[in-house]
Amino acid sequence: GENVEQHPSTLSVQEGDSAVIKCTYSDSASNYFPWYKQELGKRPQLIIDIRSNVGEKKDQRIAVTLNKTAKHFSLHITETQPEDSAVYFCAASTSGNTPLVFGKGTRLSVIA
Amino acid sequence: NAGVTQTPKFQVLKTGQSMTLQCAQDMNHNSMYWYRQDPGMGLRLIYYSASEGTTDKGEVPNGYNVSRLNKREFSLRLESAAPSQTSVYFCASSEGTSAVGEQFFGPGTRLTVL
Repeated sequence: GENVEQHPSTLSVQEGDSAVIKCTYSDSASNYFPWYKQELGKRPQLIIDIRSNVGEKKDQRIAVTLNKTAKHFSLHITETQPEDSAVYFCAASTSGNTPLVFGKGTRLSVIA
Repeated sequence: NAGVTQTPKFQVLKTGQSMTLQCAQDMNHNSMYWYRQDPGMGLRLIYYSASEGTTDKGEVPNGYNVSRLNKREFSLRLESAAPSQTSVYFCASSEGTSAVGEQFFGPGTRLTVL
């Protein structure tokens, strides 16, 4: 089955700097790659997703890139702010009836 | 539109006790999921229901049972709780059509087994 690896497990950046989180997946049939943000004590919430027919997607300060050949995808956050501090999870799935497989998460700390 | 709701929010059990975690969604979603979240382990799938009337095991199903009561509700039962089941439990739902889409999570249940 699918296996998703996520790195790094923790990341500290200065406010205003960029942060990059990387994930690799094993199943070449995976075609949906969402990123979730989980603030302390809250539920995970979708922040951006990308499908296999797209190489990059942006939403304001957040972007996701996908390299299907290498089977990896990355989350890029620019101009980081203290409210970006949270745990971020990547995930992968092959179809609507197949559950998401999550990475183990990255704890991002933005230092003011 | 409440989205995904879970009860209870907190629960403390003694080893060997049983309990059922309740989950409901009002988005007319076909698929529902139960995850547990432990520090450093991410979100691990316990059971899921791709559609009403079906349930399947996930990564960590031992010690749990589920019931898809109807399209809205998906419950998780611990028959004989163990300290290793201390965790935060999240229910989630998605449309579950052929085109995969967003999973919506409930607020979670924090369970402690003594």
